[in-house]
Amino acid sequence: ILNVEQSPQSLHVQEGDSTNFTCSFPSSNFYALHWYRWETAKSPEALFVMTLNGDEKKKGRISATLNTKEGYSYLYIKGSQPEDSATYLCAFKDYGGSQGNLIFGKGTKLSVKP
Amino acid sequence: KAGVTQTPRYLIKTRGQQVTLSCSPISGHRSVSWYQQTPGQGLQFLFEYFSETQRNKGNFPGRFSGRQFSNSRSEMNVSTLELGDSALYLCASSPSTSGTYEQYFGPGTRLTVT
Repeated sequence: ILNVEQSPQSLHVQEGDSTNFTCSFPSSNFYALHWYRWETAKSPEALFVMTLNGDEKKKGRISATLNTKEGYSYLYIKGSQPEDSATYLCAFKDYGGSQGNLIFGKGTKLSVKP
Repeated sequence: KAGVTQTPRYLIKTRGQQVTLSCSPISGHRSVSWYQQTPGQGLQFLFEYFSETQRNKGNFPGRFSGRQFSNSRSEMNVSTLELGDSALYLCASSPSTSGTYEQYFGPGTRLTVT
């Protein structure tokens, strides 16, 4: 059974701090890696879809990198703001989708204090 | 463009009953996936439909079933409800099943089984 691990489980930072989280996934049969942000009482919202080793994507203060050979992706938030408080989910897809389309990690819950 | 809609938003059922949840994808999206989220767990993949065909199924008992209509709307059904079925059920739509498109999530249906 394929497994996607995210660390840390939760993170508390002060406004203005920069932070990063990790998503680990199987390094074989990689096809795609997704990042989503899930704010309380809202729906998960896509941040990035990454497919190539070495990919780096950026959206405002949030960026992500991908290493498919070693099976990890980092999500970075520069200068965290209270509105960044959310759970950040990564999801992995392997070739053939042996366990369905996307396998989600349990997420990293970020709390940003003003 | 209207987002993904799910009905009902909240539901309370009794053990042994059955329930049907509905999902209307974004116009033009032909893939609909269903996920279950319970406390402490990540999003668990239930199944995915594309052009009225089930493409993938997660590791759930046969009590969980689904279907997709010609207009891409999808329903999932849970028969003989158990207490452990209490969860948030999310559906997500995307243009295709490739896994390289971001998924657009609905607001979810919160099911409580008593």
